[in-house]
Amino acid sequence: DTEVTQTPKHLVMGMTNKKSLKCEQHMGHRAMYWYKQKAKKPPELMFVYSYEKLSINESVPSRFSPECPNSSLLNLHLHALQPEDSALYLCASSQIGGVNTGELFFGEGSRLTVL
Amino acid sequence: SQQGEEDPQALSIQEGENATMNCSYKTSINNLQWYRQNSGRGLVHLILIRSNEREKHSGRLRVTLDTSKKSSSLLITASRAADTASYFCATDGYSGGGADGLTFGKGTHLIIQP
Repeated sequence: DTEVTQTPKHLVMGMTNKKSLKCEQHMGHRAMYWYKQKAKKPPELMFVYSYEKLSINESVPSRFSPECPNSSLLNLHLHALQPEDSALYLCASSQIGGVNTGELFFGEGSRLTVL
Repeated sequence: SQQGEEDPQALSIQEGENATMNCSYKTSINNLQWYRQNSGRGLVHLILIRSNEREKHSGRLRVTLDTSKKSSSLLITASRAADTASYFCATDGYSGGGADGLTFGKGTHLIIQP
């Protein structure tokens, strides 16, 4: 099994809603990532959990809150989002983390629309 | 943070021709990777080249790395319509410090005309 599974595939939410994006991998990888991708732009790193330690990208607003319940699961909690947060949110995993990051395995993404 | 810069931003060629994309980056790296993304989908890893390697092949793909110029190229030979996608280079490793994850370049959108 070499898949990273993301749910939901599509999410529409209002600015006052609270929702969560979920990601799961069963490859025994020790690092998991959230990336945000706007149309026609490259993915931008939001958060990393490496050996269950969180690395925070300081430019990410606090309305995005990551959670790693265990080494196979990664959540992204969303609260009070803005329309400009509409994007494709990509989860990825890698066998190891750290500065010598190897191949990333990506999920298909969650397409988020904030109204 | 460093970021790869690809050129060209868009490339349209005829099926069967070769496609070459270039990537430049700013600081020291441990390795450089290339990924492919079909429209609105997840990214798929194509190839990884380490900083002490100069060239690497995988099927119809050839990647070169010039660490003195901080640049890499991806060559796709005998292109097919199914190669139509966006291609991103990605770098890791931050000089003098440490950070997890990959930083992606702006990407090249490749269109193969049948």
